[in-house]
Amino acid sequence: SAVISQKPSRDICQRGTSLTIQCQVDSQVTMMFWYRQQPGQSLTLIATANQGSEATYESGFVIDKFPISRPNLTFSTLTVSNMSPEDSSIYLCSVVPLNTEAFFGQGTRLTVV
Amino acid sequence: GESVGLHLPTLSVQEGDNSIINCAYSNSASDYFIWYKQESGKGPQFIIDIRSNMDKRQGQRVTVLLNKTVKHLSLQIAATQPGDSAVYFCAETWQKGGADGLTFGKGTHLIIQP
Repeated sequence: SAVISQKPSRDICQRGTSLTIQCQVDSQVTMMFWYRQQPGQSLTLIATANQGSEATYESGFVIDKFPISRPNLTFSTLTVSNMSPEDSSIYLCSVVPLNTEAFFGQGTRLTVV
Repeated sequence: GESVGLHLPTLSVQEGDNSIINCAYSNSASDYFIWYKQESGKGPQFIIDIRSNMDKRQGQRVTVLLNKTVKHLSLQIAATQPGDSAVYFCAETWQKGGADGLTFGKGTHLIIQP
């Protein structure tokens, strides 16, 4: 298993600003993922963040809008840049320890006003 | 993949009854399927998984059924309890522990009536 800590748990931000979300895992994992969950909807994969390489983004998501860092095997950040109200969502970090299922953090509830 | 609607389907059952939550997945190449439970204000929590070489798997009070012919997955919860109230998502991927991330279904909001 894996225990994931996400910060902040929630935030209210002004449009045009940026927010960096942190994800800390209690064990070393190769694969980390970032998801977005818009209000009342399912989860959508934003990108895969593996240590030592550039993040891989899914269709509809770009690095300029959602830059990701992965400095080591226990930590990652996702930045939501130049925010607009449409970015209001829950952002979730997920890890997949070797040969197990995916574990999720509690999520960061972002409201852009 | 599936389009995502604005509202999650809702299933309301009496406490103690059995519930069945259904999910249609999109990728015929998916090899591994998972059910997650998401309570309000929390991240998804693993319930049960199944590989594509199986058609049924049982856990404690939960059973997952997989029909690859019609790309359909179901979660059966026996003797539902108030703590089962949550949103349930199915997810698919290429392989357990794989590097592809998960594709989630629409989700179903399960409400347990007292």
